[in-house]
Amino acid sequence: GDSVTQMEGPVTLSEEAFLTINCTYTATGYPSLFWYVQYPGEGLQLLLKATKADDKGSNKGFEATYRKETTSFHLEKGSVQVSDSAVYFCAQSSGGSYIPTFGRGTSLIVHP
Amino acid sequence: IAGITQAPTSQILAAGRRMTLRCTQDMRHNAMYWYRQDLGLGLRLIHYSNTAGTTGKGEVPDGYSVSRANTDDFPLTLASAVPSQTSVYFCASSEDSNSPLHFGNGTRLTVT
Repeated sequence: GDSVTQMEGPVTLSEEAFLTINCTYTATGYPSLFWYVQYPGEGLQLLLKATKADDKGSNKGFEATYRKETTSFHLEKGSVQVSDSAVYFCAQSSGGSYIPTFGRGTSLIVHP
Repeated sequence: IAGITQAPTSQILAAGRRMTLRCTQDMRHNAMYWYRQDLGLGLRLIHYSNTAGTTGKGEVPDGYSVSRANTDDFPLTLASAVPSQTSVYFCASSEDSNSPLHFGNGTRLTVT
């Protein structure tokens, strides 16, 4: 079945460090891919998305590229800030199923 | 402000009691979802609804029921709460299967 696997955390970085959070997926069709962010005490909110192969989603300095050949959608940011500390979820949706699949989340902690 | 409203924000409930978590959206989205979030387990889908009048079971449906009488409302009922249902519950909606989810801010439920 469809699944999403993302690296376990927590990921601990110093401010201005480079961030990568790995995400791979398995899907029977051609899914749309998403990254969500969850700040403490809040619900998830969409960070970025990509709907087809080679698309790059970007928002707030974060980027992720839809790689069909490696079934990956890794999240990157060139210079993290303390305010980026949150839990990040990778997810996929396939047309017709109406059942989004989420990874288990990766906690990011950024120290000043 | 358009979005999803969940109520209550938090609740302490005695085991064996009945409880309904409320969820309302004003975006006229077709699909709605209930997830529970537990430390180390990520988000797990409880029930979903593709459109008003239809519902389906997710990954962890036992002990929960839902209804979708109209487009806007998607209540989740615990018929007889048990301590293992202590969790944070999130309601979400999406326009269609390839669209991102919009999440509420969650209900923190403690069953004693």
